[in-house]
Amino acid sequence: EPEVTQTPSHQVTQMGQEVILRCVPISNHLYFYWYRQILGQKVEFLVSFYNNEISEKSEIFDDQFSVERPDGSNFTLKIRSTKLEDSAMYFCASSGQGARGYTFGSGTRLTVV
Amino acid sequence: GQQVMQIPQYQHVQEGEDFTTYCNSSTTLSNIQWYKQRPGGHPVFLIQLVKSGEVKKQKRLTFQFGEAKKNSSLHITATQTTDVGTYFCAGRRLGSGNTGKLIFGQGTTLQVKP
Repeated sequence: EPEVTQTPSHQVTQMGQEVILRCVPISNHLYFYWYRQILGQKVEFLVSFYNNEISEKSEIFDDQFSVERPDGSNFTLKIRSTKLEDSAMYFCASSGQGARGYTFGSGTRLTVV
Repeated sequence: GQQVMQIPQYQHVQEGEDFTTYCNSSTTLSNIQWYKQRPGGHPVFLIQLVKSGEVKKQKRLTFQFGEAKKNSSLHITATQTTDVGTYFCAGRRLGSGNTGKLIFGQGTTLQVKP
């Protein structure tokens, strides 16, 4: 069964530092997403990405956030200057052509101290 | 903006009892999906419903999409300890196509006592 791979599984960073969360989506998928989940809470949409550009983003996804697909396989989320409230589990997901469910990665737990 | 609400937030049942979680959207949906997240895990896709009034079954799980395409339910018959986890509905706003953003409900966390 194809998987979405996320690294690292856990990242601890100082407030104000930049972090890059990495994802390798399923190879033949075309749509890529980042969601986050604060402990015990709902899964919140951050951004969707298709055809090398952002297709939608939420109000959470402000100027501190950016996404990139640098080499045709990786899909990264960068947070430029982390805040305490950015602490959450960040999930990458991908989906294929047509109406299908998302395949989520195992997540990166980001802790900002 | 679009909101998707789920009730109840938590449900504790005895093994063998039935369980239902309800999902309501503030806007008409083009489709709705259901996901299961085990404790410490990630959401795993269960099913997608597209048509008004659609009912789909997966073994002991029955999924319904309302006639107005604004609500949905998941019913589990005769729960087992393996059903433990959080069940999320996630909907796409009507007109956003098959690839518009999915908005997740808050989830219903199911605990099953053996």
